[in-house]
Amino acid sequence: EAGVAQSPRYKIIEKRQSVAFWCNPISGHATLYWYQQILGQGPKLLIQFQNNGVVDDSQLPKDRFSAERLKGVDSTLKIQPAKLEDSAVYLCASSWGVGQPNEKLFFGSGTQLSVL
Amino acid sequence: GDSVTQMEGPVTLSEEAFLTINCTYTATGYPSLFWYVQYPGEGLQLLLKATKADDKGSNKGFEATYRKETTSFHLEKGSVQVSDSAVYFCALNNYGQNFVFGPGTRLSVLP
Repeated sequence: EAGVAQSPRYKIIEKRQSVAFWCNPISGHATLYWYQQILGQGPKLLIQFQNNGVVDDSQLPKDRFSAERLKGVDSTLKIQPAKLEDSAVYLCASSWGVGQPNEKLFFGSGTQLSVL
Repeated sequence: GDSVTQMEGPVTLSEEAFLTINCTYTATGYPSLFWYVQYPGEGLQLLLKATKADDKGSNKGFEATYRKETTSFHLEKGSVQVSDSAVYFCALNNYGQNFVFGPGTRLSVLP
């Protein structure tokens, strides 16, 4: 089966610019996650969608980050304006179910963002 | 809140050496525990999991046992290979909440 697709693979921008990331989850997966992985740290959840509804966005910096999941399939994550501390790898993941404790997550390869 | 602590890396071993990567957690209730692995240039992928106390997860020669009494889920492999070089993440999922990942441990295996 095709995996989770993310683009772009790399992005370099200057602070105060805007940037958008795209994710296409595995077909049929109900739940989609965006994680931020800062160098040397584990992934931190930014937002979780179930189909096209938001389940958890408690750790999303809503003053600059936004995300949507169109028709319960693809998703985009946007940062506007970017700050230096946003430099990180942005990971998209998906799963079949709706956040069951033994659910397996499928990750994309991530987008590495550098803010100069 | 829930948290996961892992031994700091990097860990460098010779091929065929024994591997242990320590993981301890803090959580209310009875979370499910996972090890994810990230090979160079790839996304994280599930290595193994355990959903209740005393369960042992295993895959590709790796093993980890859910120890509730010590709140631990240490990863072990009897004989590592160069191809095992990767970053290993311990994680938990508490029912109704989100995955919490540890900081990762980088493993380098030398031929």
